[in-house]
Amino acid sequence: AQSVTQLDSHVSVSEGTPVLLRCNYSSSYSPSLFWYVQHPNKGLQLLLKYTSATTLVKGINGFEAEFKKSETSFHLTKPSAHMSDAAEYFCVVSDRDGGSQGNLIFGKGTKLSVKP
Amino acid sequence: DAGITQSPRYKITETGRQVTLMCHQTWSHSYMFWYRQDLGHGLRLIYYSAAADITDKGEVPDGYVVSRSKTENFPLTLESATRSQTSVYFCASSPQGSEQYFGPGTRLTVT
Repeated sequence: AQSVTQLDSHVSVSEGTPVLLRCNYSSSYSPSLFWYVQHPNKGLQLLLKYTSATTLVKGINGFEAEFKKSETSFHLTKPSAHMSDAAEYFCVVSDRDGGSQGNLIFGKGTKLSVKP
Repeated sequence: DAGITQSPRYKITETGRQVTLMCHQTWSHSYMFWYRQDLGHGLRLIYYSAAADITDKGEVPDGYVVSRSKTENFPLTLESATRSQTSVYFCASSPQGSEQYFGPGTRLTVT
C-alpha cells in the first residue's frame, strides 16, 4: 500500500533563510508525488508534482522538490523563505494501482513558520 | 474563471438534521472528490466520482451520501448530522485522476 510520512510536524525558519520540508514515501510502483500548500482558512493549492519526467521538479513561488528513488524521498526546498510562505504543507502520493482511480494519500502536514 | 466553488462556506446545524454541501466546477473535470479535514487526522477521503453517475466510497463514507447527475456538480449530504461530523469539508476535481484542484472549503459545525 502507498503511504507518505512527513518527518516534521513543525518547521520554523527566519525570513531569507533556506526552507527544507522532508517527506518519505512508500509505494509498490513508480509513484506520482505532489506537494500542496494550505494557507490559514484557505483551500489547498498545488505547489508542484512529480510524474517521472524529471527528478528535480520546479513549482510555484520558488519551491522545488527532488525525487530520490534510492532514498524514497521527495523533500521540498526553497532557497530563501518569505513571510508569505508561512502555511501548512502536505506531501501527497497518488494511490495509482492497476485497478485504482488514482486517489491521493496525504501526509499529516508540516506547519512552516517564518520569523522576521 | 470560477474554477471550483463550494457553498455554503460556513454552516451551523443541529444534531439529526439533514444538510447538503454543494460543490461546482467549471473545468468539466471527470473526477470529483470530497474530503474532510480534522486536527490530528489530516485530510481523509469521504467519496469520489470518476464521472457522472459513477461514485465510490473513500476512507470514511459512513453517514454521508453523494450523487453526481451532472459532471459539474457533486453534492455531499449528511442524512442525519452528528457532532462527530463537525469538520472542514473540501471538494476537489481532477481531469485524469492525477493532481487535484481544491475548493475553498465549507466549515460545518453540528451542535
